[in-house]
Amino acid sequence: DAGITQSPRHKVTETGTPVTLRCHQTENHRYMYWYRQDPGHGLRLIHYSYGVKDTDKGEVSDGYSVSRSKTEDFLLTLESATSSQTSVYFCAISDRVSETQYFGPGTRLLVL
Amino acid sequence: KNEVEQSPQNLTAQEGEFITINCSYSVGISALHWLQQHPGGGIVSLFMLSSGKKKHGRLIATINIQEKHSSLHITASHPRDSAVYICAVTDKLIFGTGTRLQVFP
Repeated sequence: DAGITQSPRHKVTETGTPVTLRCHQTENHRYMYWYRQDPGHGLRLIHYSYGVKDTDKGEVSDGYSVSRSKTEDFLLTLESATSSQTSVYFCAISDRVSETQYFGPGTRLLVL
Repeated sequence: KNEVEQSPQNLTAQEGEFITINCSYSVGISALHWLQQHPGGGIVSLFMLSSGKKKHGRLIATINIQEKHSSLHITASHPRDSAVYICAVTDKLIFGTGTRLQVFP
């Protein structure tokens, strides 16, 4: 299994609070991705990174920001959490965009 | 219309049955991926296809680039195959909504 971890694995927070999710890899893969998974929607891309300090928006980026200051870490921040951001968040890594992606274990976020 | 569509959405089978899950896409691709999401939530990659057919154990994946269609077959299905199967066009970062398979003994 690819060395990819996410923290925290579970989080409950209140509307309006900031939340940061961390994705950490030990594989030195160039690309890192943040997805959210909701019933009926499948996996949807939030943001992705193609290198240190190089990021781009995905399909559902509103309300989220990301940072990648080191190859191994990709942070996802909800500046002011809303109930619509209750979801399961997955991080993934790959060497190239078209190559196999390896997924982290996911983070369950509940915004009350 | 979704750019990646899977059918069926849900599938129930008896142990030993032959299973087929379909994926159609409307965008140009360099490769299509099949993923498996376990009941516990973990996601693993099964296949990456750019043409033809690939086989791994009881799993077979095929793709027809001209028809923009791929299929995932499971031979001699087993309860441990119960999972959600997801097709993905990863160079466009688009995923299907998944097919939930339940195999009963």
